[in-house]
Amino acid sequence: ILNVEQSPQSLHVQEGDSTNFTCSFPSSNFYALHWYRWETAKSPEALFVMTLNGDEKKKGRISATLNTKEGYSYLYIKGSQPEDSATYLCALGGGKLIFGQGTELSVKP
Amino acid sequence: GAGVSQSPRYKVAKRGQDVALRCDPISGHVSLFWYQQALGQGPEFLTYFQNEAQLDKSGLPSDRFFAERPEGSVSTLKIQRTQQEDSAVYLCASSHGWTGFDNEQFFGPGTRLTVL
Repeated sequence: ILNVEQSPQSLHVQEGDSTNFTCSFPSSNFYALHWYRWETAKSPEALFVMTLNGDEKKKGRISATLNTKEGYSYLYIKGSQPEDSATYLCALGGGKLIFGQGTELSVKP
Repeated sequence: GAGVSQSPRYKVAKRGQDVALRCDPISGHVSLFWYQQALGQGPEFLTYFQNEAQLDKSGLPSDRFFAERPEGSVSTLKIQRTQQEDSAVYLCASSHGWTGFDNEQFFGPGTRLTVL
């Protein structure tokens, strides 16, 4: 059974702080790694799909890296803003997704 | 353009009641997924449709759970004789093509089911 772990479970930062969190997964049978942002009362929004070892993707102040050999991905947020407050989910798979439990980020103004 | 919509957004049911949750995927999307997110957990896969065919229902937790997509567009997840452990957010997602890493899944806002 594939197990996807995210850490930390929650994070409280001040506006302007940079932060990062981790998604760990079994390195065997890797297919793709997805990052989603899920704001309260809204739909989860896709941030990145990562497929290649060493992949590094960026979207504004948010970036992600992937290491398939050691089984982890990092998500970085530079200069956090209150609107970044959300739950960040990673998921493995190419169809049926296997999610981690999420990292809940709270950014205080 | 319209995204994935789900209704109702919130549902309170008494234990033992039947409920039906609806998902309207993005028009033309072939694939449709249902996920269940219990409190404090990540979403967990329930079932998958390719057009009207239910190709994978391995995640349905019991035979009280039933899903259908009769015309290959709208899908309904039905839960019979609801139990307290069914309380969760039920997410629906659709994607354009067959399963594949480049077929991004677009999610609806979910239905929050509370069973009293």
